[in-house]
Amino acid sequence: QKEVEQNSGPLSVPEGAIASLNCTYSDRGSQSFFWYRQYSGKSPELIMFIYSNGDKEDGRFTAQLNKASQYVSLLIRDSQPSDSATYLCAPLSGEKLTFGTGTRLTIIP
Amino acid sequence: DGGITQSPKYLFRKEGQNVTLSCEQNLNHDAMYWYRQDPGQGLRLIYYSQIVNDFQKGDIAEGYSVSREKKESFPLTVTSAQKNPTAFYLCASSIGPSSSDTQYFGPGTRLTVL
Repeated sequence: QKEVEQNSGPLSVPEGAIASLNCTYSDRGSQSFFWYRQYSGKSPELIMFIYSNGDKEDGRFTAQLNKASQYVSLLIRDSQPSDSATYLCAPLSGEKLTFGTGTRLTIIP
Repeated sequence: DGGITQSPKYLFRKEGQNVTLSCEQNLNHDAMYWYRQDPGQGLRLIYYSQIVNDFQKGDIAEGYSVSREKKESFPLTVTSAQKNPTAFYLCASSIGPSSSDTQYFGPGTRLTVL
């Protein structure tokens, strides 16, 4: 069983719509959860992180965490073509991040 | 400019040769990390260091070595013992290893072994 599971996609979303990215994890000791965006051929860049159950909003991005269900998600509102990238979910347990394989998101103009 | 630099951006080496990848940060971060990314896969942790002169193995340390002689530098050597060294190598740093410390990534080095 994979430690961090993400739908590999590709996930296609019309411009202006909401993109929903999901992630499940197996380590119940995970304390914080990070979302990174990675453009093709580039390094990951931080979108946001969350460590408390519930929602956390930052601009067009909302992270949702449910530790009981071992589930974390990222919503992107008013999707733009520049949001087309691979999104990596990474729970932090102890001092180490564990990355999922990422979900490739394509925003259709 | 504060940030993390990795050099070179692209590296080609013959099979059987050792190669050292550079990672430097001027963010005054204590913790530094090396990851490897293969096509279609997530990042996998090779080595990490929380403090100068100390480092720990990650999940895939075999065939790699590191040093941490200075706070700002964390070079990675890919040895000839690494069976499949061709990959995208990413260095990251964070203020410290606590649960809220974000890891920031350098631009990466793409290593191809011929």
